[in-house]
Amino acid sequence: KAGVTQTPRYLIKTRGQQVTLSCSPISGHRSVSWYQQTPGQGLQFLFEYFSETQRNKGNFPGRFSGRQFSNSRSEMNVSTLELGDSALYLCASSRQGVGQPQHFGDGTRLSIL
Amino acid sequence: DQQVKQNSPSLSVQEGRISILNCDYTNSMFDYFLWYKKYPAEGPTFLISISSIKDKNEDGRFTVFLNKSAKHLSLHIVPSQPGDSAVYFCAASGGGTGNQFYFGTGTSLTVIP
Repeated sequence: KAGVTQTPRYLIKTRGQQVTLSCSPISGHRSVSWYQQTPGQGLQFLFEYFSETQRNKGNFPGRFSGRQFSNSRSEMNVSTLELGDSALYLCASSRQGVGQPQHFGDGTRLSIL
Repeated sequence: DQQVKQNSPSLSVQEGRISILNCDYTNSMFDYFLWYKKYPAEGPTFLISISSIKDKNEDGRFTVFLNKSAKHLSLHIVPSQPGDSAVYFCAASGGGTGNQFYFGTGTSLTVIP
């Protein structure tokens, strides 16, 4: 069974640019969540999508946005990149239901120069 | 505001001994708790979970204990093996809609052969 796939694995951008990250969930999983991981901060929740609708949102500025398509694939967009946006961005998918374990992709490492 | 805390950034244990990883939370509405294991350059992998109606859940060498009155959970690994060396994250959810998880900052476990 294929796991969660994130593309690209690595990305280098400069300040002010924008970036789009992609996530393909496990087949049958309709909930997709995004997290930002930085050293010492653990995993910070960005947002969760279910059936193409944003169901939960973390405490991040509006420069961070996302969407989900009818096939449950999801994209995350960050505009006007800042140096502090350098991080590992992780996508996780899960089945419907509260408390269902989330299954993670290997992440996209974003570096801002 | 960190609702889930792992106060020990690192832990070293001899092979064959017990590893105990701790996690504290502040939100009494949390009702599902999970542990994840993460190797470098990979996404977190789900290990074991527990719901708030239980105080213990076991899966092979891994046991999670929940003390709701103390808002504390722990992961016991017995016996510890060198392959268990990784970063361990605890996560909690509940009290809201959807499947939003709050993660701790992680504990790096080193099992010494």
